[in-house]
Amino acid sequence: GQNIDQPTEMTATEGAIVQINCTYQTSGFNGLFWYQQHAGEAPTFLSYNVLDGLEEKGRFSSFLSRSKGYSYLLLKELQMKDSASYLCAVQDSNYQLIWGAGTKLIIKP
Amino acid sequence: IAGITQAPTSQILAAGRRMTLRCTQDMRHNAMYWYRQDLGLGLRLIHYSNTAGTTGKGEVPDGYSVSRANTDDFPLTLASAVPSQTSVYFCASSDSAGGSGANVLTFGAGSRLTVL
Repeated sequence: GQNIDQPTEMTATEGAIVQINCTYQTSGFNGLFWYQQHAGEAPTFLSYNVLDGLEEKGRFSSFLSRSKGYSYLLLKELQMKDSASYLCAVQDSNYQLIWGAGTKLIIKP
Repeated sequence: IAGITQAPTSQILAAGRRMTLRCTQDMRHNAMYWYRQDLGLGLRLIHYSNTAGTTGKGEVPDGYSVSRANTDDFPLTLASAVPSQTSVYFCASSDSAGGSGANVLTFGAGSRLTVL
């Protein structure tokens, strides 16, 4: 079966760095996405990785290792507004998205 | 502001009643999707449409139907609501139905449905 695993919840301190991991087992791979979802709001697109390596976009970076079925989202210089759920999703061989349950990130002052 | 509009925002519904969730986009995206989001689970695809006039079943289509008469509108109908359909429903769209590259989704704000 297809499976996306990510931690349910993480806590970090304002100004610090946090890494949110995602492991996947899917039928085929055509890219991995990270979305941010604030409580009660819609998910919004953060990043897309299809090749191995690190993609940097401001305070946020996303890493992919296809051979290990592994990705992480790195958030630097954490701000209170980064408190949200972070959703990992894999585009399978049919270009359908398989979603993880999301990681709730709590930022403490 | 370009985007996706969903209605209603929230609804409480008696079991057995018929309900249509509305979704309209103004980005001229070809593909549209309906997802449900439940606590502890990932987003689950209910139905999708790759282009106007076509629809397809997702992971959890039972009890739901959709239509795509034009590019902009993609309503989701619950013919006879049951309590297990209590959820938050998100409509989404993308300008690519896949085939190459990133299929980035734009989501509506969601419709919270409670079936009693």
